[in-house]
Amino acid sequence: EPEVTQTPSHQVTQMGQEVILRCVPISNHLYFYWYRQILGQKVEFLVSFYNNEISEKSEIFDDQFSVERPDGSNFTLKIRSTKLEDSAMYFCASNEGAGANVLTFGAGSRLTVL
Amino acid sequence: KQEVTQIPAALSVPEGENLVLNCSFTDSAIYNLQWFRQDPGKGLTSLLLIQSSQREQTSGRLNASLDKSSGRSTLYIAASQPGDSATYLCAVRSGGGADGLTFGKGTHLIIQP
Repeated sequence: EPEVTQTPSHQVTQMGQEVILRCVPISNHLYFYWYRQILGQKVEFLVSFYNNEISEKSEIFDDQFSVERPDGSNFTLKIRSTKLEDSAMYFCASNEGAGANVLTFGAGSRLTVL
Repeated sequence: KQEVTQIPAALSVPEGENLVLNCSFTDSAIYNLQWFRQDPGKGLTSLLLIQSSQREQTSGRLNASLDKSSGRSTLYIAASQPGDSATYLCAVRSGGGADGLTFGKGTHLIIQP
């Protein structure tokens, strides 16, 4: 069964450093998403991406965050200058069409900021 | 702003029991609702998706219902098994385009062998 692949599975970084989290969505999917889950808290929407541009973003997705689809397969989330509160599990997701379709999630990338 | 609440927060039952997990949402103008399963330290696995025009969806031992007007959904698990132990998340989508999902905090389910 097709799956969403995320790398790295775990990254430890120092506060203030830049981090790039990578995702390979399912190949025929058109909509891509990033979510995060701080330990013990709800899964929160960050951003959606369609047709090579951001479609929606939440209040969490401030100027420190950016997304990119540098080639036909990868979808990346960049955090420019990490803060302690950025420590979380980051999930990439994709779906085939618009909102009617099931959202498929990757296994997540755990980010620890020291 | 949409808020999603799940009750109970945790549930522990003996194997074989039928059980119901509850989800409520504050804004009934939803596009669809999705139930997920999350195992410790893992990603989210989609279980069932109910469109706003539908009343229920079934997959194996799982049945999810939706009452949009009252802002409620339930996930019914029949004949529970230890392998069902996980956290179950309810999430609603308010728009049909690329809108993000709004999640509840989940119900942590333990099925005792």
